[in-house]
Amino acid sequence: DQQVKQNSPSLSVQEGRISILNCDYTNSMFDYFLWYKKYPAEGPTFLISISSIKDKNEDGRFTVFLNKSAKHLSLHIVPSQPGDSAVYFCAASEAGGFKTIFGAGTRLFVKA
Amino acid sequence: DAGVIQSPRHEVTEMGQEVTLRCKPISGHNSLFWYRQTMMRGLELLIYFNNNVPIDDSGMPEDRFSAKMPNASFSTLKIQPSEPRDSAVYFCASSQTEKLFFGSGTQLSVL
Repeated sequence: DQQVKQNSPSLSVQEGRISILNCDYTNSMFDYFLWYKKYPAEGPTFLISISSIKDKNEDGRFTVFLNKSAKHLSLHIVPSQPGDSAVYFCAASEAGGFKTIFGAGTRLFVKA
Repeated sequence: DAGVIQSPRHEVTEMGQEVTLRCKPISGHNSLFWYRQTMMRGLELLIYFNNNVPIDDSGMPEDRFSAKMPNASFSTLKIQPSEPRDSAVYFCASSQTEKLFFGSGTQLSVL
C-alpha cells in the first residue's frame, strides 16, 4: 500500500506558465512534507518543505500548499522554466523520526 | 563537504552472485537511509539507521537483502544471491533533520 501517491506520471507545460504537481497521502501521522527534484543520473535534491501546522510555504518560484483535511499537497512552479524539467518526488515523514516515504514521482516537461 | 558518496556508480553482475553497495554519509549526519528506485514503484525505502542502529527494515524485500552500518561513516547494502528483478538504482541518503541528502546512486543490473 502506497502511503504517498503521485497519480500523474508526467506533466507537460509551456515555458512561462504555471506547473502544478499533486500529491495525496493516507497516513494521518505524517507531519512534515517535502518535495525533491531529480535530474537523470543524479540523486534527488531537496526543493521545498512544509510542516503540518502550515498550509502554505513559498520559496521564490516554488510554493507548496497543504490541505490536511483532504490529505493533499501540491507544488506550484511559476513561471515554469525549461531547466525545471525533471522528476519531482513528493515525500512525507512522521513526527519524532526521519523515516521518509516517497511517492512514485511526476516527470515534468517544460517546453520552450 | 563532498556530500553522500556511493560506490560503485554502476554494477553489472550475473544472477546468483553477491553484490555489495557502499555508502559514506555526510559527516555529522546521524540518520542513514537506503532507497531503491524502480519505474513501477518510484523510491522505495528499504532500511534506515539512526546513530548506526537499524530502526526500520520493513522495506527490505526479502532475506537476500541485508544492510550494515559498522560506524558513523560507512554503510553497506548486500544482496546475496542477486536476481534479475533486483535490477534498479539504489540510493543512499543521510540527514540530521527531516531534509535528506542523497548520493548519486548505484545502477545495478543483474543479468
